[in-house]
Amino acid sequence: AQKITQTQPGMFVQEKEAVTLDCTYDTSDQSYGLFWYKQPSSGEMIFLIYQGSYDEQNATEGRYSLNFQKARKSANLVISASQLGDSAMYFCAMSSNNAGNMLTFGGGTRLMVKP
Amino acid sequence: KAGVTQTPRYLIKTRGQQVTLSCSPISGHRSVSWYQQTPGQGLQFLFEYFSETQRNKGNFPGRFSGRQFSNSRSEMNVSTLELGDSALYLCARAGSQYFGPGTRLTVL
Repeated sequence: AQKITQTQPGMFVQEKEAVTLDCTYDTSDQSYGLFWYKQPSSGEMIFLIYQGSYDEQNATEGRYSLNFQKARKSANLVISASQLGDSAMYFCAMSSNNAGNMLTFGGGTRLMVKP
Repeated sequence: KAGVTQTPRYLIKTRGQQVTLSCSPISGHRSVSWYQQTPGQGLQFLFEYFSETQRNKGNFPGRFSGRQFSNSRSEMNVSTLELGDSALYLCARAGSQYFGPGTRLTVL
């Protein structure tokens, strides 16, 4: 069984500063994928970034980067230069090649950006 | 763009009724996954359809069912609604990267 743990229920960050959202995972599968999503109050799940378990380099998408440490089973999201519009819920999720397109989600972290 | 349409966006039903939600991925995408999001249980996988066949199913009672049509559109049905079925229902297309806007169901 797969499990995703996000230990930070809520976080504050000052506008223009960087912030790291933690995500640890547990799986016995060798091939898997890790995702981060942003969910604003509207409810829509917005894809941010993806990391495959065999990818040697950390994924980067604009201001988002994924700090992938396979041995520690962690996949932290780093947001650089935070903006007010970054205030939202953030979810870490995992897929496995053995489970089709099914995603297992963490409990989420609420990020609040202060002006 | 996410390329997933969900209808309706909001729905209010009463206990005991049944409801059907719709999800349409953009043309060419044959896989659709459904998720339920509640404050208490978080995001939970319901089921996945690929080329009209259910490929995977989460741990939900038989009141939750789904199907997929040849044009990849998928429907999710919940019979005999309970108060606990109040949730945001999200649909994702192939690869699970992209989600629709969700249907917010309220059961009174």
